[in-house]
Amino acid sequence: NAGVTQTPKFQVLKTGQSMTLQCAQDMNHNSMYWYRQDPGMGLRLIYYSASEGTTDKGEVPNGYNVSRLNKREFSLRLESAAPSQTSVYFCASSDPLGGYEKLFFGSGTQLSVL
Amino acid sequence: QQQVKQSPQSLIVQKGGISIINCAYENTAFDYFPWYQQFPGKGPALLIAIRPDVSEKKEGRFTISFNKSAKQFSLHIMDSQPGDSATYFCAASMKAAGNKLTFGGGTRVLVKP
Repeated sequence: NAGVTQTPKFQVLKTGQSMTLQCAQDMNHNSMYWYRQDPGMGLRLIYYSASEGTTDKGEVPNGYNVSRLNKREFSLRLESAAPSQTSVYFCASSDPLGGYEKLFFGSGTQLSVL
Repeated sequence: QQQVKQSPQSLIVQKGGISIINCAYENTAFDYFPWYQQFPGKGPALLIAIRPDVSEKKEGRFTISFNKSAKQFSLHIMDSQPGDSATYFCAASMKAAGNKLTFGGGTRVLVKP
């Protein structure tokens, strides 16, 4: 039972490079999310997808794009990486628990932009 | 502007002691308050959650206390164990905003044997 799988686990980029973070879930969840985690800032929502074919901006969307490829997969793209995007990125999917969303997180991608 | 403020940022407690983490929120429309636990190198996982129609919820050694009038809620870890050493995040959401979670800044808890 894999849950939420993220790749890669680690990545180092130079300023201006692009990359795509991949995420897949096998729990048949409708909603998927991308968060970034920075010290003292908690987890901040970048983008989310309430269902296949829909995406919406979260709290910190600038510099990112997303694609909900199908129900299982939700990717995050950095078109031109900046040092401010150095962070740990988490993908999550959710299951409505009594009307509220219970999030299941992947293990994260540690990204450094030099 | 952080809608959910969490304190302290870090906490050291002796084995068997009580760990207390506090959170305060501004938006009275929040209607769901979960706590997530994160071990090093892992993603957060739901630990316990409460809705504002109750003042306390207990699951094993973990208790949430909720004070609606003060707009505060806290996590108490009783009889803290070294295995409880982790980062804890409080969060809040509201149905009107699609149940998207807003997280606090996190508290790193270290339980010394």
